[in-house]
Amino acid sequence: ETGVTQSPTHLIKTRGQQVTLRCSSQSGHNTVSWYQQALGQGPQFIFQYYREEENGRGNFPPRFSGLQFPNYSSELNVNALELDDSALYLCASSIDSTYEKLFFGSGTQLSVL
Amino acid sequence: QKEVEQDPGPLSVPEGAIVSLNCTYSNSAFQYFMWYRQYSRKGPELLMYTYSSGNKEDGRFTAQVDKSSKYISLFIRDSQPSDSATYLCAMARSGGSYIPTFGRGTSLIVHP
Repeated sequence: ETGVTQSPTHLIKTRGQQVTLRCSSQSGHNTVSWYQQALGQGPQFIFQYYREEENGRGNFPPRFSGLQFPNYSSELNVNALELDDSALYLCASSIDSTYEKLFFGSGTQLSVL
Repeated sequence: QKEVEQDPGPLSVPEGAIVSLNCTYSNSAFQYFMWYRQYSRKGPELLMYTYSSGNKEDGRFTAQVDKSSKYISLFIRDSQPSDSATYLCAMARSGGSYIPTFGRGTSLIVHP
């Protein structure tokens, strides 16, 4: 059984650029959630995808968007990057959208200069 | 006021001590309570899971939920240097959205 994998592990971008982060969910899991974790803070929910449809969204602007593919892998896209977008971006998968236990990847550390 | 409050610490204890970590919350709809452990530069790892009130024990770890006080705790017995990490509490509602809301985490340092 493979765990949740994220790529890349680190990324440096400049303000105004666009970025795409990728996530492969754990085997047998059909739900992917994305979280933003700023330094010294807990993970903040961005959105969740269940069977390729957005299934919930946190308090993030529309420039944060996502996709889920038929194999349940997922992408997080952020347009018009701002300095405050610098954070650890975590992907978590779960067996189902009604299952509250999350299994996290190691995250992508994004730095916006 | 945040839905979930957690003291960020750091909490520094000697090896072998009993550690108590706590969270308070404001939303009475929370029914699922979890503790995650996060090592530096890693993603959170689910440590303990409790539904509704009561205690749950797993090895050196005990999770307690007091819904009347909106207060949850994680106890670590015989703490080890390898327990040094950030501990995040998380809570989820039943019915509708099951998406967990996290506390900011407490940094724990266990020194030899």
